[in-house]
Amino acid sequence: QLQLEESGPGLVKPSETLSLTCTVSGGSISIGTYYWGWIRQPPGKGLEWIGSTDYSGSTYYDASLKSRVTISGDTSKNQFSLKLRAVTAADTAVYYCASFNLATSGPFDYWGQGTLVTVSS
Amino acid sequence: DIQMTQSPSSLSASVGDRVTLTCRASQSIGRYLHWYQQKPGRAPKLLIYAASRLQSGVSSRFSGSGSGTGFTLTISNLQPEDFGTYYCQQSYDTPAPTFGGGTKVEIK
Repeated sequence: QLQLEESGPGLVKPSETLSLTCTVSGGSISIGTYYWGWIRQPPGKGLEWIGSTDYSGSTYYDASLKSRVTISGDTSKNQFSLKLRAVTAADTAVYYCASFNLATSGPFDYWGQGTLVTVSS
Repeated sequence: DIQMTQSPSSLSASVGDRVTLTCRASQSIGRYLHWYQQKPGRAPKLLIYAASRLQSGVSSRFSGSGSGTGFTLTISNLQPEDFGTYYCQQSYDTPAPTFGGGTKVEIK
């Protein structure tokens, strides 16, 4: 069973870069049947997909965030990371990493516990 | 982008009730539809995948149906622990999944 855990700063200043890492245990991020994704949830709001990466390093981003986002994987550490540039208060949210299971038609079947990132000076 | 619309936005029901939540897609998505339960301060939990398949370990009181553009999640014999917000998610447009806005379920 996969386990995912997010880590990174909980406070980021406006215009700076938000950086988070997701550490995966219980399986390899090199598995071809998974994408590895980031999802966020602003306070009191719904879930927003940010982007994903796959075993080959290919990346996929939400169109509205594409210009500011980079997702990358590190197979040696079994981690994948999120960088979101030029943040504003609107980027304040709980950020989740999750595994997207291609073998079962694409649900996010395992999630990290989430980490709250606040954008404030 | 495929838009997902959930209804109602909230509901209140009594223990033992049968509750039905609806999710509609802006275009046909086959059966690429999944349901999650989220409790306050917790990560979403997968309940149903591929429209009707029960995730391992999830109570059989949860069931899903539908295909194309219309889907339902039914909770039979509602229990106190079933409170929370329920989200649907489409994966037809992989790798660009989208979520519905959620239905908040409260126990009377």
